[in-house]
Amino acid sequence: DTAVSQTPKYLVTQMGNDKSIKCEQNLGHDTMYWYKQDSKKFLKIMFSYNNKELIINETVPNRFSPKSPDKAHLNLHINSLELGDSAVYFCASSSLGWGNTEAFFGQGTRLTVV
Amino acid sequence: QQPVQSPQAVILREGEDAVINCSSSKALYSVHWYRQKHGEAPVFLMILLKGGEQKGHEKISASFNEKKQQSSLYLTASQLSYSGTYFCGTGLGNQFYFGTGTSLTVIP
Repeated sequence: DTAVSQTPKYLVTQMGNDKSIKCEQNLGHDTMYWYKQDSKKFLKIMFSYNNKELIINETVPNRFSPKSPDKAHLNLHINSLELGDSAVYFCASSSLGWGNTEAFFGQGTRLTVV
Repeated sequence: QQPVQSPQAVILREGEDAVINCSSSKALYSVHWYRQKHGEAPVFLMILLKGGEQKGHEKISASFNEKKQQSSLYLTASQLSYSGTYFCGTGLGNQFYFGTGTSLTVIP
């Protein structure tokens, strides 16, 4: 069974559209994250979320919003897509915070905005 | 806040050794190392904790200097399968920052 799964794997869409990326983990972890990896391969945290707290990276535009229907899911909604949003988006999870535990990543979603 | 890694890229022949460095401007409580192969997700290699405890990989080792806010990853007798981009990472609680990345290519 896949520990952290994301769908879709590829997403091509036009500027101005609204899209969602889904993420599910079956590890029983308390904390989930969204990362953006740009063309230079820099991995930047966008959000971290557990049952109690959402932490948002202040550089993330408010067009991006995480939605967590339950502990095992953290979806990413993006409104009014822009060309600069093209990147690979990774979902990850860990037990509690990063601290002493490893993180598990989904396979990534390559978003292309045309 | 992003840790800086060096070198940015390195090419090795099979069997050679490499060192990847990670330097942070902030205090390090723990350091993680991940490897990402092309087109795949980052995969955990190891965690180094304050006080010297190390958890992780069998064939790859690392050091953690808390005072200098630095960590180094040592790859010995490299194999073709070691190719990929290596990231250090550091954080506390719900915040985690990856380093700038080091591309490592092992050739026959």
